[in-house]
Amino acid sequence: DGGITQSPKYLFRKEGQNVTLSCEQNLNHDAMYWYRQDPGQGLRLIYYSQIVNDFQKGDIAEGYSVSREKKESFPLTVTSAQKNPTAFYLCASTIGGGTTGELFFGEGSRLTVL
Amino acid sequence: KNQVEQSPQSLIILEGKNCTLQCNYTVSPFSNLRWYKQDTGRGPVSLTIMTFSENTKSNGRYTATLDADTKQSSLHITASQLSDSASYICVVSWHGNNRLAFGKGNQVVVIP
Repeated sequence: DGGITQSPKYLFRKEGQNVTLSCEQNLNHDAMYWYRQDPGQGLRLIYYSQIVNDFQKGDIAEGYSVSREKKESFPLTVTSAQKNPTAFYLCASTIGGGTTGELFFGEGSRLTVL
Repeated sequence: KNQVEQSPQSLIILEGKNCTLQCNYTVSPFSNLRWYKQDTGRGPVSLTIMTFSENTKSNGRYTATLDADTKQSSLHITASQLSDSASYICVVSWHGNNRLAFGKGNQVVVIP
């Protein structure tokens, strides 16, 4: 089945550690996105990529990094510079590079800092 | 200032009853409006997507309406089921921008 796979589902991190969240899609979508979701808030854009080897900062990129070496993969690294990383992270993709197409989401990764 | 406002923030409804969720937006120039359903701990799933020229769209027991003049949308749930318990998120996009504006969601709890 086509879709977006995020892993791990749950992740615990000690302060000062970097962690990488995986996002893989087999929908042949061009654009991929990372969002952060906190209780009582709307989704906030961290990074997005419209084509391979290119990505753009979103509204809350500080403390995060990404790469887009393959069309189907868009991993997110939460670095130690992110001061409040505990959150639910959602990866999404859409065909084409704009926002007119349907946005497909993965099941999310919940990161907790101990 | 949030460009997408949803109301009510939360509501509890009896199984079998109908309910309507509201979404007001200030995004301009408008491109499309989407409604997503998000179960607790899961990723959002698309229910409907409407462009400027569409004023209603249905997906099973879910019916979305759009008034682009007043910049308002509603999502109507008919004959609610326990599985409708979820957060419903309104998302708006606009021309010339690669971003989406997300509402905070309407939290719906259906009780037997």
